[in-house]
Amino acid sequence: DIQMTQTPSSVSASVGDRVTITCQASHGISHYLNWYQQKPGKAPKLLIYAASNLETGVPSRFSGGGSGADFIFTISSLQPEDVATYFCQQYDKLPYTFGQGTKLEI
Amino acid sequence: QALLVQSGAEVKKPGASVTVSCKASGYPFTSYSLVWVRQAPGQGLEWMGWISVYLRNTNYAEELLGRVTMTTDTSTNTAYLELRSLTSDDTAVYYCARDRVPYGDENPPGSFDMWGQGTMVTVSS
Repeated sequence: DIQMTQTPSSVSASVGDRVTITCQASHGISHYLNWYQQKPGKAPKLLIYAASNLETGVPSRFSGGGSGADFIFTISSLQPEDVATYFCQQYDKLPYTFGQGTKLEI
Repeated sequence: QALLVQSGAEVKKPGASVTVSCKASGYPFTSYSLVWVRQAPGQGLEWMGWISVYLRNTNYAEELLGRVTMTTDTSTNTAYLELRSLTSDDTAVYYCARDRVPYGDENPPGSFDMWGQGTMVTVSS
């Protein structure tokens, strides 16, 4: 199975800050990488697919990049409603696997 | 409006089986694959398996083989997850989710744009 390692596991930032989360795959996965946001008690929400494509309706302050084994997720200007846990997920090979999550606090 | 609505919370004893349903509406049910993902309390997301509604085939996580069955009923636009021989390790919220690309799309499957609300399954004696 492809292992996905996210860093950091938690981060605290201020409103307006730039926040960056990284995700590293144990094997190269091309650009087959998604980012999800999960708020407490809610289902995950797809934010970014194929490493850098913004899902419809997602604010442009969210962005993603990378390819191969190293990926980055950025919130350009943190908003209060961005408090959540963020997960990366690879879909290059079955079984699809998720990172362990990054808890973002303000 | 496209929607996935799951069945309600379940409490089961060890060794029992549970079936969770996921009713789809607002989109052509047979055109999109579905996955099941679970999340143990305070933990991350675990992919359980995938079902192609169009092709009627499945792929399950290796650690669940022999205990899990995913099916669909196209007459009611409903997907089902059955998990057998439950243990306390199966206590989790179970989600169904739809793939964002329809069958036959040039883009590969594996991104999930619509999720059910989740079903809490508690296994306790």
